[in-house]
Amino acid sequence: NAGVTQTPKFQVLKTGQSMTLQCAQDMNHNSMYWYRQDPGMGLRLIYYSASEGTTDKGEVPNGYNVSRLNKREFSLRLESAAPSQTSVYFCASSGLAGAALHTQYFGPGTRLTVL
Amino acid sequence: GEDVEQSLFLSVREGDSSVINCTYTDSSSTYLYWYKQEPGAGLQLLTYIFSNMDMKQDQRLTVLLNKKDKHLSLRIADTQTGDSAIYFCAVPRKGYQKVTFGTGTKLQVIP
Repeated sequence: NAGVTQTPKFQVLKTGQSMTLQCAQDMNHNSMYWYRQDPGMGLRLIYYSASEGTTDKGEVPNGYNVSRLNKREFSLRLESAAPSQTSVYFCASSGLAGAALHTQYFGPGTRLTVL
Repeated sequence: GEDVEQSLFLSVREGDSSVINCTYTDSSSTYLYWYKQEPGAGLQLLTYIFSNMDMKQDQRLTVLLNKKDKHLSLRIADTQTGDSAIYFCAVPRKGYQKVTFGTGTKLQVIP
């Protein structure tokens, strides 16, 4: 049981390049999330997916796209990377009931630098 | 939207108690959460409190909730160097399976 896995762990891009961050969970969770973490700003939600086949914008969706490929996988794509997208990106998932409804399980993060 | 505020930094000596505070603007949640982020890692759930409780104790951790003032705090007794991390409070939003995370408080424990 690996929990939430993310690839890659580190990435350096040049301005204008594209890339896809991969995320997978093996906890049979319906909901998945992408966040970015910047110093002094906490976690900001980029996109989320309440269930397979649905995606919705979070607080900071501009410059990103997502795909909920199946129940396990949720990818984040940067079509044309900008230096402002330099950040640490976290994928998370959450379950169904009680405290678990809002308990989020996080991956280890992807550290992205855009030059 | 929900605003969740925390101070950015707290420094304590090993063995002392740490108190990390969080204020929020609104919550319809039945639970409020504290997460811990160790260096280079993702966040992990540390503890949570049901919204009809004032206090919850879990070994060295005590969570206090003042719903009237919309204030949540986390007390760590006998703070150890292994407690050095960033602590986030999290408040779920109305009607969605989403939460708003605070800005995070970096706890530094001095030996």
